[in-house]
Amino acid sequence: GAVVSQHPSRVICKSGTSVKIECRSLDFQATTMFWYRQFPKQSLMLMATSNEGSKATYEQGVEKDKFLINHASLTLSTLTVTSAHPEDSSFYICSAQRVPYEQYFGPGTRLTVT
Amino acid sequence: AQTVTQSQPEMSVQEAETVTLSCTYDTSESDYYLFWYKQPPSRQMILVIRQEAYKQQNATENRFSVNFQKAAKSFSLKISDSQLGDAAMYFCAYRSPTGTASKLTFGTGTRLQVTL
Repeated sequence: GAVVSQHPSRVICKSGTSVKIECRSLDFQATTMFWYRQFPKQSLMLMATSNEGSKATYEQGVEKDKFLINHASLTLSTLTVTSAHPEDSSFYICSAQRVPYEQYFGPGTRLTVT
Repeated sequence: AQTVTQSQPEMSVQEAETVTLSCTYDTSESDYYLFWYKQPPSRQMILVIRQEAYKQQNATENRFSVNFQKAAKSFSLKISDSQLGDAAMYFCAYRSPTGTASKLTFGTGTRLQVTL
């Protein structure tokens, strides 16, 4: 058990457009989900904490108007990168927390902005 | 704020041998969780092992075990009988007890190579 999916796995978009990434916990309910960004050969950087039914909590330095997070249900959180630019190209990973403490990670989404 | 340090950017081990990956952390909390995650080339993060700070006994999972030294704030991972499939990035992570501060703090990672 404890499977987390992400869709899409890869996306290419043009500069100035928006792209949505979905994160789903398939076999458990997750009141809390997390969004990370990972640059090549680097560690995971937490972007925001997503709580079902409430506003996301963003880490310092992360633009909340650019990275919109919605946690509409106990199994789905979405990250929308608005007005994407080439510097937003990265690998985005979500995780879902299963009580009491385990985080299970999705397979990641590679975003390329041209 | 908590910090996690992995001082070995890369390690290499021969197949069937044993290797130890180092991790130190800094915290003022007395209760917390520590994790080792594996990230293979597929980039899927996989939980390897978990240690609760209140437990003195070191966690073990098959070929993986930890050496948890709470006073020294050290949490090393030992991989025994290394296999080619163990080649990956390994991240040490810290987590506060369940609550609002439940996010993971990751170290910078150690790339493990397994040679024949």
